[in-house]
Amino acid sequence: EAGVAQSPRYKIIEKRQSVAFWCNPISGHATLYWYQQILGQGPKLLIQFQNNGVVDDSQLPKDRFSAERLKGVDSTLKIQPAKLEDSAVYLCASSGTGYVYEQYFGPGTRLTVT
Amino acid sequence: SQQGEEDPQALSIQEGENATMNCSYKTSINNLQWYRQNSGRGLVHLILIRSNEREKHSGRLRVTLDTSKKSSSLLITASRAADTASYFCAHASGGSYIPTFGRGTSLIVHP
Repeated sequence: EAGVAQSPRYKIIEKRQSVAFWCNPISGHATLYWYQQILGQGPKLLIQFQNNGVVDDSQLPKDRFSAERLKGVDSTLKIQPAKLEDSAVYLCASSGTGYVYEQYFGPGTRLTVT
Repeated sequence: SQQGEEDPQALSIQEGENATMNCSYKTSINNLQWYRQNSGRGLVHLILIRSNEREKHSGRLRVTLDTSKKSSSLLITASRAADTASYFCAHASGGSYIPTFGRGTSLIVHP
């Protein structure tokens, strides 16, 4: 079974620039999550999708972050404009409709904002 | 905000020794999970323990849960160099099953 795919793996941008991350969940997984993990901390949930609908985006900084999950499969997370404090690893995870407690994480995208 | 806190923040042991990590939380939970993160395999789910369970085993892993003390522990027996990683506890509370992660314990196992 293929795992959660993310791209790019690394990205370096200057502040005020825009960036987008892509995630392809495990086939058949209805729920998709985006997390932000700052160095030395645990992952923090940014947004959760159930199919193509948003379930929870309470911790998403909506003035600069946006996410979409068209057709209930792939998802894109965008930051515009980026700030220095956005430097982090952005993790995508998915879970199925059965044992929904277990999340499967992708390798993450390491973003550096200079 | 992150509600779970792991202790210690860092742990260094020799191969073959046991490693114990603790996690404390503040609110009533539905379940508590332990994850491992290393550069090679990313963040991986290890074990889930429900609020009505007190102990759970998986291979060399043993997790305990004390809801009266709002704490959990992860024991790795006969550690190996490959166990070197950061370990996070994550708990779901209220009506949510989405885990809230702590800051993690960094474990180094010396060969």
